[in-house]
Amino acid sequence: DAKTTQPTSMDCAEGRAANLPCNHSTISGNEYVYWYRQIHSQGPQYIIHGLKNNETNEMASLIITEDRKSSTLILPHATLRDTAVYYCIVIHGAGSYQLTFGKGTKLSVIP
Amino acid sequence: ETGVTQTPRHLVMGMTNKKSLKCEQHLGHNAMYWYKQSAKKPLELMFVYSLEERVENNSVPSRFSPECPNSSHLFLHLHTLQPEDSALYLCASSLEGQQSEQFFGPGTRLTVL
Repeated sequence: DAKTTQPTSMDCAEGRAANLPCNHSTISGNEYVYWYRQIHSQGPQYIIHGLKNNETNEMASLIITEDRKSSTLILPHATLRDTAVYYCIVIHGAGSYQLTFGKGTKLSVIP
Repeated sequence: ETGVTQTPRHLVMGMTNKKSLKCEQHLGHNAMYWYKQSAKKPLELMFVYSLEERVENNSVPSRFSPECPNSSHLFLHLHTLQPEDSALYLCASSLEGQQSEQFFGPGTRLTVL
């Protein structure tokens, strides 16, 4: 699976959009981009995934660049409960039992 | 109950004890996982069961013994653990074929004295 690079930490004001970037410049054509988050002392939570089109669900939006070398997770109106570590993972299209979580981005939502 | 539940949430045990961690999923999934999360380390996949058969065992010491009696239940039996085994043990489940979309339980915080 391709390697990902994320900023170590980010701050976001409550009520504003949180934009979390991820670089995956070695991604191959059949690899998907997945996002998970982990709130302190809880299990990880699946957020969203995509291949090449932008995706939206009730939690977030995922914007993937046309060359697929990077993506951005957008939380449209961040709340204090969105404070967590966010992980960007690239996974082969056939699916993988192994979710390789890197260090992720620690997002702090500030009142 | 909904989702993935784990019991107990906290466990303290001595090195000579035998204990078991329990995981139950109410999502109709058919694949279940055990992960270990040590302080300041990434999640480590320990075991995977798909359709009640073990499909992955990532070089885990034999003092950890998994059991999957049916598709809704998963156990992790512990015996003669070491202090370095203290960690958060997470259970997850998914549908076979959608194994990259895993649903995690809250975890069991294990301390080995």
